[in-house]
Amino acid sequence: GAVVSQHPSRVICKSGTSVKIECRSLDFQATTMFWYRQFPKQSLMLMATSNEGSKATYEQGVEKDKFLINHASLTLSTLTVTSAHPEDSSFYICSFVSGANVLTFGAGSRLTVL
Amino acid sequence: AQSVTQLDSQVPVFEEAPVELRCNYSSSVSVYLFWYVQYPNQGLQLLLKYLSGSTLVKSINGFEAEFNKSQTSFHLRKPSVHISDTAEYFCAVSRVQGAQKLVFGQGTRLTINP
Repeated sequence: GAVVSQHPSRVICKSGTSVKIECRSLDFQATTMFWYRQFPKQSLMLMATSNEGSKATYEQGVEKDKFLINHASLTLSTLTVTSAHPEDSSFYICSFVSGANVLTFGAGSRLTVL
Repeated sequence: AQSVTQLDSQVPVFEEAPVELRCNYSSSVSVYLFWYVQYPNQGLQLLLKYLSGSTLVKSINGFEAEFNKSQTSFHLRKPSVHISDTAEYFCAVSRVQGAQKLVFGQGTRLTINP
């Protein structure tokens, strides 16, 4: 079946630094992918939709300059949290469209900003 | 806009007992409905989905869900649970138009006790 690799699974950084999260589809190619964010005991919130080779479309309230998304190929997308602050601490999850009405998710990355 | 409500944040049950995880949604347009499962330290996996046709859909591991349009519900059921069903379960909807963009509920943590 379709597999998505996401890493790092956990990262701790200092306030003001930038962190890059990588998401790869291992056995399929996808034009479209999504980045989600999950706060403790809350739902997954869509941050942005990304199409390969195009600029990402961000949801309302998500700062595009803080959360940089690069989707340069059909198998790789990265999310960079720039100048991270403690309020950016969260669980970030990527997903690729792996079929008709089917998303394949990464295992998530837990970011802690000190 | 769409919204999803999972009424129970945690559901503890004994092994071999039946379980129902509730999901209600709100939408002004036609939607597709999904249940995803997240096992510890893994990414979300599609459990089952309703796109059209029979309102009762089933998964390969004994779960089933029924789409009830009048009650705007998509409750998940299993007649007899196993320890291995311990996981977080997420209900989600997407618009039929632009179907790949999911809106998730808050999740229900199912804990199976021996």
